Amino acid sequence: TQLLEQSPQFLSIQEGENLTVYCNSSSVFSSLQWYRQEPGEGPVLLVTVVTGGEVKKLKRLTFQFGDARKDSSLHITAAQPGDTGLYLCAGAAGTDKLIFGTGTRLQVFP
Amino acid sequence: GAGVSQSPSNKVTEKGKDVELRCDPISGHTALYWYRQSLGQGLEFLIYFQGNSAPDKSGLPSDRFSAERTGGSVSTLTIQRTQQEDSAVYLCASSLGWGREQFFGPGTRLTVL
Repeated sequence: TQLLEQSPQFLSIQEGENLTVYCNSSSVFSSLQWYRQEPGEGPVLLVTVVTGGEVKKLKRLTFQFGDARKDSSLHITAAQPGDTGLYLCAGAAGTDKLIFGTGTRLQVFP
Repeated sequence: GAGVSQSPSNKVTEKGKDVELRCDPISGHTALYWYRQSLGQGLEFLIYFQGNSAPDKSGLPSDRFSAERTGGSVSTLTIQRTQQEDSAVYLCASSLGWGREQFFGPGTRLTVL
């Protein structure tokens, strides 16, 4: 069974702080996606990483795919209240379905 | 709008009753997915449609759960004889094809009393 564990599960920080969310598995994935979900809405895709060691930047968000393609991280610089939400990683193994992580709930206070 | 829509947005039912949840995908999207999300946690895959066919039903929790899709568009997820553990948010997503970016609807919050 493929599992994606995210840590931390909850994170409350002040505006302007930096944070990192981790997504770990013992399985290898061909690609990994990060989503953000706000209350009452469905998840929205932020990024897809496909190459081991790949780093992608989206404004203040930096995503990294582990060299072995088993783990990933999301780093947010100078967090803002608008970053508040549930962050989900999701891995795909070849042609198999997406496996979603356990989620990290981020709260950024002004 | 042109996004994925789901109805109803909220459904409260009594244990033992049947419920039907509806998903309208983005026009032209051939792939449709159903997920279940419990209490703001990760998503649990239920079933996937390519056109009107369901190649992967492996995530359906029990035989009380069924889904169909007609005309390559609208899909319904039916839960028979609902149980309290069925309470969750049921999310639908669609994509241009298997493995392509999935666009999610807002979900249906199901509460079984």
